[in-house]
Amino acid sequence: GAVVSQHPSWVICKSGTSVKIECRSLDFQATTMFWYRQFPKQSLMLMATSNEGSKATYEQGVEKDKFLINHASLTLSTLTVTSAHPEDSSFYICSAYRAYNNEQFFGPGTRLTVL
Amino acid sequence: DAKTTQPPSMDCAEGRAANLPCNHSTISGNEYVYWYRQIHSQGPQYIIHGLKNNETNEMASLIITEDRKSSTLILPHATLRDTAVYYCIVRANTGNQFYFGTGTSLTVIP
Repeated sequence: GAVVSQHPSWVICKSGTSVKIECRSLDFQATTMFWYRQFPKQSLMLMATSNEGSKATYEQGVEKDKFLINHASLTLSTLTVTSAHPEDSSFYICSAYRAYNNEQFFGPGTRLTVL
Repeated sequence: DAKTTQPPSMDCAEGRAANLPCNHSTISGNEYVYWYRQIHSQGPQYIIHGLKNNETNEMASLIITEDRKSSTLILPHATLRDTAVYYCIVRANTGNQFYFGTGTSLTVIP
């Protein structure tokens, strides 16, 4: 299957700082990428849909000013957690949609810990 | 919102077939059934998907009932590496979003 990478794989930051997470589709162009959040022992929760060249669409209850999403190219989407707080500590996972076969490929995830 | 119901956990003996059920009684005519699995602290891995016919690939088989209200994922010969959370998701082919339910935590026992 296609490869989706995330960087960094883990990050620890102080409360109040901002953290950027990158999601890249390595071997195909993805017009649409998705961002999920997963708390311990819970399922994945869709946060937003990221479309190349346009504004992201956020799920209900997700603060768009806190979770900034940029999808500037067909292979890169970024999620910036602004003014992070301990409750933002979570496992963040991206996925990339390949229209060719209506498939979605997930990245390995980024573990964010806010102290 | 997730539109599927799965048992929270299951055990399976190594080498035996693992049969994971999923209920999707409100599935629409244009919605596919997808199965993904997630090994601890990793991203979900695609397994298989289908619309109404049974499907088989190198990883698993997907059996969908005739009324499409439920399905079963079959891992024919479970190994210890199949221990994971398995998610059944329904999604229209015209839409892209996946909404995950709670999944089934499968433990393969030696």
